[in-house]
Amino acid sequence: TQLLEQSPQFLSIQEGENLTVYCNSSSVFSSLQWYRQEPGEGPVLLVTVVTGGEVKKLKRLTFQFGDARKDSSLHITAAQPGDTGLYLCAGRTGTASKLTFGTGTRLQVTL
Amino acid sequence: DAGVIQSPRHEVTEMGQEVTLRCKPISGHNSLFWYRQTMMRGLELLIYFNNNVPIDDSGMPEDRFSAKMPNASFSTLKIQPSEPRDSAVYFCASSLREGVLQPQHFGDGTRLSIL
Repeated sequence: TQLLEQSPQFLSIQEGENLTVYCNSSSVFSSLQWYRQEPGEGPVLLVTVVTGGEVKKLKRLTFQFGDARKDSSLHITAAQPGDTGLYLCAGRTGTASKLTFGTGTRLQVTL
Repeated sequence: DAGVIQSPRHEVTEMGQEVTLRCKPISGHNSLFWYRQTMMRGLELLIYFNNNVPIDDSGMPEDRFSAKMPNASFSTLKIQPSEPRDSAVYFCASSLREGVLQPQHFGDGTRLSIL
């Protein structure tokens, strides 16, 4: 069973601060996705990364896939209260459709 | 376009009762996934279908759980008999097709409480 460990588990910061969330595994993934989940809703896809070393930016969010495709990070610049939520990384191995989700990072951004 | 629709949104029932959760995937999507989310175990895949055929059910906890997809627009997850440890939020998700780049679109979940 592939295990995706996320750190930190919980993060409470003030508006305007920067933060980084990490997603680590001993397995190699063919692709990795990041989702955000808000209370009472299902996860929503933020980004998909495929190539080792790939960096993708989505406004204030920067996603990086590790060179060996075993880890990933999500960096948020100048966090806003709207960024509050549960952030989940999810990886696929081989050509499978099956996603293995990470343990999650719960982020709270206060004014 | 409507997203993935799950029903009911909340279900509270007594131990031993049969529970049926329902899902309508996004029209035209060929893959459907059932997940369970708990604080302790996070989001776990239970089973997924492609073109209405079960492909991987290795995450189904035990024989009390069963899932069906009689047609492309409907799936059910049944628990019989239910136990308190089945209490969780159950999500259904669909994707356009199989493949490593495909995003999964989630419903808003069914919050299940077994007393």
